[in-house]
Amino acid sequence: DAGVIQSPRHEVTEMGQEVTLRCKPISGHNSLFWYRQTMMRGLELLIYFNNNVPIDDSGMPEDRFSAKMPNASFSTLKIQPSEPRDSAVYFCASSLVSRTDTQYFGPGTRLTVL
Amino acid sequence: KQEVTQIPAALSVPEGENLVLNCSFTDSAIYNLQWFRQDPGKGLTSLLLIQSSQREQTSGRLNASLDKSSGRSTLYIAASQPGDSATYLCAVEGWDNAGNMLTFGGGTRLMVKP
Repeated sequence: DAGVIQSPRHEVTEMGQEVTLRCKPISGHNSLFWYRQTMMRGLELLIYFNNNVPIDDSGMPEDRFSAKMPNASFSTLKIQPSEPRDSAVYFCASSLVSRTDTQYFGPGTRLTVL
Repeated sequence: KQEVTQIPAALSVPEGENLVLNCSFTDSAIYNLQWFRQDPGKGLTSLLLIQSSQREQTSGRLNASLDKSSGRSTLYIAASQPGDSATYLCAVEGWDNAGNMLTFGGGTRLMVKP
């Protein structure tokens, strides 16, 4: 397996634009996680899906952020409209069954909002 | 509110040394604790997961311990190698009124010199 795949690896956009980050979890994994990493706040869990259903979205910062998982092999994290303070590295991770299992992380998407 | 602290923030050692990374957390009511490794420009790699009922986990040259009552965990790396150079993060999973949560420490940046 190729591991968790994220795209794009780098995204530069202007304030107010819509940004969509994509993730393909490891095949057969039932849980998917979106994280955000910044210098100020470190690594934060944004949302957790289990069997394509959002279980815990308490980490989503505000309504500008939304995440979907239409099927077991694909998830998106969307920011609309984007703001400069959204600049960060966004990681996607997956685990075999639940959040208590070992999580495998993708390479991340570095987002810069000008 | 759970707080996770990692000491030291940075560590530089010569190759071959045994070393210990420390992680402390304020709320002992946790499900599990996990150690991750992060390489520059890459995603996180899960190293060891310790359930709250366990006291330690071992994988190769790595050994992680958990003392839930004192709110501490250590990651022991034996016979360090330059390839061990990375940032090491610990994360605890617990819960609060909002539901389950995953809280990360700030990380320890390790440099192993040849």
